[in-house]
Amino acid sequence: QVTLRESGPALVKPTQTLTLTCTFSGFSLSTSGMCVTWIRQPPGKALEWLARIDWDDDKYYSTSLKTRLTISKDTSKNQVVLTMTNMDPVDTATYYCTRRIATRTADYFDYWGQGILVTVSS
Amino acid sequence: DIQMTQSPSSLSASVGDRVTITCRASQSISSYLNWYQQKSGKAPKLLIYAASSLQSGVPSRFSGSGSGTDFTLTISSLQPEDFATYYCQQSYTTPRTFGPGTKVDVK
Repeated sequence: QVTLRESGPALVKPTQTLTLTCTFSGFSLSTSGMCVTWIRQPPGKALEWLARIDWDDDKYYSTSLKTRLTISKDTSKNQVVLTMTNMDPVDTATYYCTRRIATRTADYFDYWGQGILVTVSS
Repeated sequence: DIQMTQSPSSLSASVGDRVTITCRASQSISSYLNWYQQKSGKAPKLLIYAASSLQSGVPSRFSGSGSGTDFTLTISSLQPEDFATYYCQQSYTTPRTFGPGTKVDVK
């Protein structure tokens, strides 16, 4: 059974760095083809793709946020960590981690964590 | 980045209605298009992948079609549990992008 769970602070101050951890089970990030992606959703707004890390440690970032994001993995702990620097109130959102499945003809997010609401406020 | 648009942004429907939602990509994405359903306060749930493939466990009243730039999600007979927001998402290029969503509520 595949599960993912996000953890981290619920409240951060402007200019601080946010560190979120995705702890997963039911699959291994050392398996070829496996990837974990972070996605966020501001209250009442649409989903926004943030970053992805692959089994081979390839990393990909949002075009608009890439200077602020870092994604890393600890395969032995089944964890993926996302850091976002210089937090601003507009970064207030629910942050999700997801498992990405890719085949020759399809590519999608099949399992999602429950999400963690992060509020940026002084 | 590929831009995704959806129409309508919201619609009101009754149980039993046939519902159609459209998604358009700013450039051709072949069939690399997925649909998700999101209920209030919950994580999105995958419904359709590769434009027309039904995810395991998803009722057959959901179907998807299209390729290139224009795609459709159809609910053949709306059920009470289908009132939610629906998002399309392209997986043709990185960064992945989502549509703005279509909210389906009670008429």
